[in-house]
Amino acid sequence: DVKVTQSSRYLVKRTGEKVFLECVQDMDHENMFWYRQDPGLGLRLIYFSYDVKMKEKGDIPEGYSVSREKKERFSLILESASTNQTSMYLCASSLMRAQGGQPQHFGDGTRLSIL
Amino acid sequence: AQSVAQPEDQVNVAEGNPLTVKCTYSVSGNPYLFWYVQYPNRGLQFLLKYITGDNLVKGSYGFEAEFNKSQTSFHLKKPSALVSDSALYFCAVRAAFSGGYNKLIFGAGTRLAVHP
Repeated sequence: DVKVTQSSRYLVKRTGEKVFLECVQDMDHENMFWYRQDPGLGLRLIYFSYDVKMKEKGDIPEGYSVSREKKERFSLILESASTNQTSMYLCASSLMRAQGGQPQHFGDGTRLSIL
Repeated sequence: AQSVAQPEDQVNVAEGNPLTVKCTYSVSGNPYLFWYVQYPNRGLQFLLKYITGDNLVKGSYGFEAEFNKSQTSFHLKKPSALVSDSALYFCAVRAAFSGGYNKLIFGAGTRLAVHP
């Protein structure tokens, strides 16, 4: 089974702090994704990566950056945390196939509170 | 514009009765459609997908989904609901032109409550 591990289940930080969320997958997947989940809004894509050191903006990249130095690890960075970034953050990974259609596999999420 | 709509915030059903969770989509080209389930304090789990072929797709835990191209729908169904099916369900469609990147567009989610 694919395992996607997010380093923290719960995190509390203060406004203005730089926050790092870590995600590791063990199935050699090319694609990795960061989402935030808010009630009534579903999942919104923040950033994704299809290879080491490659990244693409998703729908809501403002206030975030990412790092992918190794294939198995994808980090989300909140440059200067703000209260409107309080949310559930979900990491996912999938295989890359030319025709697409591979399911994404999710970690258990990090519930981040910014005070 | 690409989008996924789940018109019901919550669906209530009695245990043993059939259940349907609705999903409609809007995307260019042939749709790749997915259903995921989320249990409390967990990530999303993949249930099933439609890429091509038979319009009725079978997935995990006895769930199935029916693709209807003319109605642009992909409703999730189960013949007999269990209390343990109570969870949050998400429909998703692969974004057009995302190719192997598999970018997904998610609906807002539908909470399924199965009562004993």
